[in-house]
Amino acid sequence: GAGVSQTPSNKVTEKGKYVELRCDPISGHTALYWYRQSLGQGPEFLIYFQGTGAADDSGLPNDRFFAVRPEGSVSTLKIQRTERGDSAVYLCASSLMGQANTGELFFGEGSRLTVL
Amino acid sequence: GNSVTQMEGPVTLSEEAFLTINCTYTATGYPSLFWYVQYPGEGLQLLLKATKADDKGSNKGFEATYRKETTSFHLEKGSVQVSDSAVYFCASSSNDYKLSFGAGTTVTVRA
Repeated sequence: GAGVSQTPSNKVTEKGKYVELRCDPISGHTALYWYRQSLGQGPEFLIYFQGTGAADDSGLPNDRFFAVRPEGSVSTLKIQRTERGDSAVYLCASSLMGQANTGELFFGEGSRLTVL
Repeated sequence: GNSVTQMEGPVTLSEEAFLTINCTYTATGYPSLFWYVQYPGEGLQLLLKATKADDKGSNKGFEATYRKETTSFHLEKGSVQVSDSAVYFCASSSNDYKLSFGAGTTVTVRA
């Protein structure tokens, strides 16, 4: 499809395990964003990539969270030693360039992570 | 930093009723303001936006006006349809990559 693709759509894991969430942005979009949406809350910013580099990772909650985008396209959000509080929907978005101030971000459907 | 507070839901309406969802913001400077919508089974998508004071954003019969004096960006629609059932998020941005979202308001429209 032509939209932002996120896999898996659902992931159930046990506390302490390692998890990877993948985002395939719209072709040609240089900007990529990760947000986290906990139950009953709005999405919260995690990290922003412009090309291959993380331009701002200030939203990552702690050093268990890491994200990469090695070729400037697909991105992987990695969570080590998962905790129950990591349970949330992880949203990925992309845009032609940094465009949060125009709102022209295209969001995927999210990956729902449940940590038991 | 920026933050947004929006009316809590859920909101249940009958078709053709008037909908309003309140949203207020706090920010340094003058952020851009947005309403995003998430339909069942779909990703977040931009509904409308306003980038400066007194701007009115509109789309699909929805409207919101950027009010600097009241720091508000309330969403309104005069006659809702069942297809408007969704979760609505107010958001703001002061730079080109970070959005601050409200908690979301679930709207259900009954036929």
